[in-house]
Formats: sequence, C-alpha cells, structure tokens
Amino acid sequence: DADVTQTPRNRITKTGKRIMLECSQTKGHDRMYWYRQDPGLGLRLIYYSFDVKDINKGEISDGYSVSRQAQAKFSLSLESAIPNQTALYFCATSDSTNYGYTFGSGTRLTVV
Amino acid sequence: LAKTTQPISMDSYEGQEVNITCSHNNIATNDYITWYQQFPSQGPRFIIQGYKTKVTNEVASLFIPADRKSSTLSLPRVSLSDTAVYYCLVGDIRVTGGFKTIFGAGTRLFVKA
Repeated sequence: DADVTQTPRNRITKTGKRIMLECSQTKGHDRMYWYRQDPGLGLRLIYYSFDVKDINKGEISDGYSVSRQAQAKFSLSLESAIPNQTALYFCATSDSTNYGYTFGSGTRLTVV
Repeated sequence: LAKTTQPISMDSYEGQEVNITCSHNNIATNDYITWYQQFPSQGPRFIIQGYKTKVTNEVASLFIPADRKSSTLSLPRVSLSDTAVYYCLVGDIRVTGGFKTIFGAGTRLFVKA
C-alpha cells in the first residue's frame, strides 16, 4: 500500500457542486499539506496542518476548506466548484525529523 | 523565503551525464537544498538533500559551492526513464515556517534514445 493515499484519483464535477478530496497516510507524520498543480506550473500550497488541532491557510486558500479528522487523515473540500479549480491536487506529509515531503499520487479534478 | 531559478527545460541522450543547476541567491543560513523528481500524473519524489559541499546517493549527486548561492543536481548516465520534471527547493521543512518552501516550475528533462 502507498504511504500517502489520495481518493479519488480522477473526478469530473459540475460547476457549483461541493466536492471533497481525501488523503490518508501511514507514515506516522504529524504534518500534512494540500498542493495544487496547474499545467506547466509548479505546486502551490493551499492549506497545511501541523497536527490535528492546527489548520493554516496557504497561498491560494480562497474557495477551499480542509478538515484534519485524525493524524492520518486530511481532506480538502471545494464548497462550490468553479472551472478554474480544474487542476491536479496533491496531498503531502512530513515531520519534524526529516527533510523531505512524501507525496500522494494526486487527484485529477475537472470542473465543467 | 529563498526563491530558486532553474532552466525551464533540458534535453539529453541516454548514457550521458546531466547536470541541472539551481540558483538561490538569498538562501538563509539554516536552509537546506532539496531536489525532487516528478513523472507525469504522479506526485513529486524526494531525490537528494544537502547543506554544503557534495552529497551522493544511489540516484544522484548534489554539488553545493561554498557560498551556497547555487546547487547542481548531477544524474549519471541517464536513461529514458529519467525523463521527468526536476524541482529544486530551498528551506528547512523540519522547522515551523520551513513548509513555505516554494515549488517553482522546475526543469523539464527529456532524455532521447
């Protein structure tokens, strides 16, 4: 099983619909992140959480919300999806003792 | 935040050594340099990390000059499967605030047969 699992892998939704992307991890890391990647661009931080009671906005949080249900679970919601939220979404984890992120395989979201 | 500058793209042939240089002029004293590899429709994968001088692992080498204002990722004898986007990050994600390391557009490496 993957260390960081994202569901669904692909999703097509309509404008105005609410959608949730889920992330779970078996790394035992306390920190979790949601990133967005647009074609030809790098990754931009949406939200991050350093523990279950900690939620922080990243650089592009407008239109998104998150929930940290447990140390191992971090979900991203689009309350009312719009076409320019069409992108590849990645969940990542880290902890205070290592230097690198561990990323999930991503969710490809299309809003029509 | 230490911003990084990398070439947008590079081409190479199988069996050649590839060097990708990243500039990070305003790197802070406590910052580490980390490189990631990303294949299409997959998440970035950690390749190598260093603070100064040279670091080598089974995948790559990382060269960091004394002033640490740049770094070079070296991939020995690349194969077609090394075709990917490579990202240079500067920061220390172990500490609070280090999470703000920025993923730029990366360098798209294309390896030809």
